[in-house]
Amino acid sequence: GAGVSQTPSNKVTEKGKYVELRCDPISGHTALYWYRQSLGQGPEFLIYFQGTGAADDSGLPNDRFFAVRPEGSVSTLKIQRTERGDSAVYLCASTQTNTGELFFGEGSRLTVL
Amino acid sequence: SQQGEEDPQALSIQEGENATMNCSYKTSINNLQWYRQNSGRGLVHLILIRSNEREKHSGRLRVTLDTSKKSSSLLITASRAADTASYFCATRISGYSTLTFGKGTMLLVSP
Repeated sequence: GAGVSQTPSNKVTEKGKYVELRCDPISGHTALYWYRQSLGQGPEFLIYFQGTGAADDSGLPNDRFFAVRPEGSVSTLKIQRTERGDSAVYLCASTQTNTGELFFGEGSRLTVL
Repeated sequence: SQQGEEDPQALSIQEGENATMNCSYKTSINNLQWYRQNSGRGLVHLILIRSNEREKHSGRLRVTLDTSKKSSSLLITASRAADTASYFCATRISGYSTLTFGKGTMLLVSP
């Protein structure tokens, strides 16, 4: 595709439910990042993939959060037992070089009621 | 934690005026990048400046970097209403592949 695609664009769920957010990066981009952005704040780093492996997952807030990228392309961010504090926009970005600019998707807005 | 901090938090100007936003950071960097975000949208990359560069231009954008003061500035000249957005600086710390963002400056350009 032409850009980074994220689905769903909006997700409303109830506290305690399980959620999956999907990211389809730009074709050929080996590096993929997940960020979380709360209202009025900058993006907060969650996890970085280089190929299929998580090269840096130091930003994941706790063990309810997990992400995979099994074939080195599409990635899924998984959140278990959602809490109201998980409400935010989850942004995905990809890049060809791990020192250059990031290309962001439009984000998935998660609302936990 | 956030490495870069933008200043001011909000800026309101008239069309045609220049807008200057500043960013300070804490540790040695490989490069510093500026991004723009329209309300409810994803971030768009504007410009990247490497640690060995002092100034860079792109159209109406001018970025400076002072590594001795650990600071950068973004200047938008002859602003337009369409420049209304939030602007974020992001730093890539030396030896790391992650990009760390500041809290952003919200720019409002009035016609």
